[in-house]
Amino acid sequence: AQRVTQPEKLLSVFKGAPVELKCNYSYSGSPELFWYVQYSRQRLQLLLRHISRESIKGFTADLNKGETSFHLKKPFAQEEDSAMYYCALTGAAGNKLTFGGGTRVLVKP
Amino acid sequence: GAVVSQHPSWVICKSGTSVKIECRSLDFQATTMFWYRQFPKQSLMLMATSNEGSKATYEQGVEKDKFLINHASLTLSTLTVTSAHPEDSSFYICSASGKEGLSNQPQHFGDGTRLSIL
Repeated sequence: AQRVTQPEKLLSVFKGAPVELKCNYSYSGSPELFWYVQYSRQRLQLLLRHISRESIKGFTADLNKGETSFHLKKPFAQEEDSAMYYCALTGAAGNKLTFGGGTRVLVKP
Repeated sequence: GAVVSQHPSWVICKSGTSVKIECRSLDFQATTMFWYRQFPKQSLMLMATSNEGSKATYEQGVEKDKFLINHASLTLSTLTVTSAHPEDSSFYICSASGKEGLSNQPQHFGDGTRLSIL
């Protein structure tokens, strides 16, 4: 079975401080990992996918297969980064996503 | 690009009514559509996966006769909550995914539908 764990329900940081959202997964094969973001009153949007290896809005995430992690990082948080962030995984069984519980990020001025 | 439109955004109806929610991919062909349910302050729970032209695959514990899914075209899927009761009140979200060559595109999500059953 595939499972995604986001241990922090809430992360509160000051503007300009680094922020790291933890994501751990369990999956027996080679998964594809994603980060989705949901800003207030908006739809869920794709932020990052691990195969793209790109930085979006200053965020990066590296897949660590040894630690089965896909932590999301940003060196300098901005107020507009305040949102709900979901880590998700898809495996070999089609395109089915398994979501973590989500982490709410609050960036204080 | 990759816009998914979900309608209606909010519906309130009486117990026993059937409610239909539409999910459309506006600018791409969605070979697969997904239906999720989200309870307050919780994550998204997958209800079912539907591929165009075939029967939906339901997750364990989801009643297929209660939640009817139709995916008749590459741009439209519908979820019908039959004989809805207050416990069916929830936030329902659809997503759609097309193909990138032989691979699947990431899922793109609709705005969700808030269903309130009185």
